[in-house]
Amino acid sequence: QSALTQPRSVSGSPGQSVTISCTGTSSDVGGYNYVSWYQQHPGKAPKLMIYDVSKRPSGVPDRFSGSKSGNTASLTISGLQAEDEADYYCCSYAGSYTFDVFGTGTKVTVL
Amino acid sequence: QVQLVQSGSELKKPGASVKVSCKASGYTFTSYAMNWVRQAPGQGLEWMGWINTNTGNPTYAQGFTGRFVFSLDTSVSTAYLQISSLKAEDTAVYYCARGSSSANFDYWGQGTLVTVSS
Repeated sequence: QSALTQPRSVSGSPGQSVTISCTGTSSDVGGYNYVSWYQQHPGKAPKLMIYDVSKRPSGVPDRFSGSKSGNTASLTISGLQAEDEADYYCCSYAGSYTFDVFGTGTKVTVL
Repeated sequence: QVQLVQSGSELKKPGASVKVSCKASGYTFTSYAMNWVRQAPGQGLEWMGWINTNTGNPTYAQGFTGRFVFSLDTSVSTAYLQISSLKAEDTAVYYCARGSSSANFDYWGQGTLVTVSS
C-alpha cells in the first residue's frame, strides 16, 4: 500500500486560507469516509485535527475544516495563525486487509 | 483525562531486541484498539498496525511482519511493541496511538526514540 500523496509544502500569510490536498485511490480515500488529519509540531506527537473526513474533535478551532471529493481529501485552514505552522498528515482507512495508510506529509509555513 | 505514557529512549546495537511500553490511563483500556506508528528521522508517519485490546489479536501492516510483535498486559493497561534483530534502519520514534475508529487516532503517546547503532 503506497502512501497517500500530499504536497510537500504550502504557505500563506496570517489571516489567509490554505488548503492541503491528500490524493489516494478508490481503494482508500475514495472508498471510505474515514479520512483523518493530524498536526505535528517539531519534536511533538501528532494531534488529531479532523476525523471521518470533516468532523472536528472538541477543542480544535473551527478554522480547521475537512472535505473530500472522489479520491482526494482536503484540509483547509482559514484565518491562518502563526501557531498553525507545522507538519500536517492525512490518513485513510484502506479496507480490512491494508487497514490504515498515512499521507506523505505537508509542511505549512506562515509567512 | 486520557493519557498514553511511553517508556524512555533506547540505544541498541544491531541484532539486539527492544521492547517499548505504552501505559494507558483515564479510560477503559479494553474499549479501544491500540495502534503503533513509526517516524524515521526527518520522515513521515508510517502506520505499523494495531492490536485488539479485547482479544489480544494483532494486525501488522506490510513491512512490519516477522520482527515486530505487539502485545498487551491488560492488568496494568499497557501495550508493548517488541522489535527483534534490530537494524540501523529501525532507528525512529515509535508512537502508540489510541484507535477510536477507522483511521481515527485520538490520543497519542509522547513517542519513544529507538536508536540502533554499533
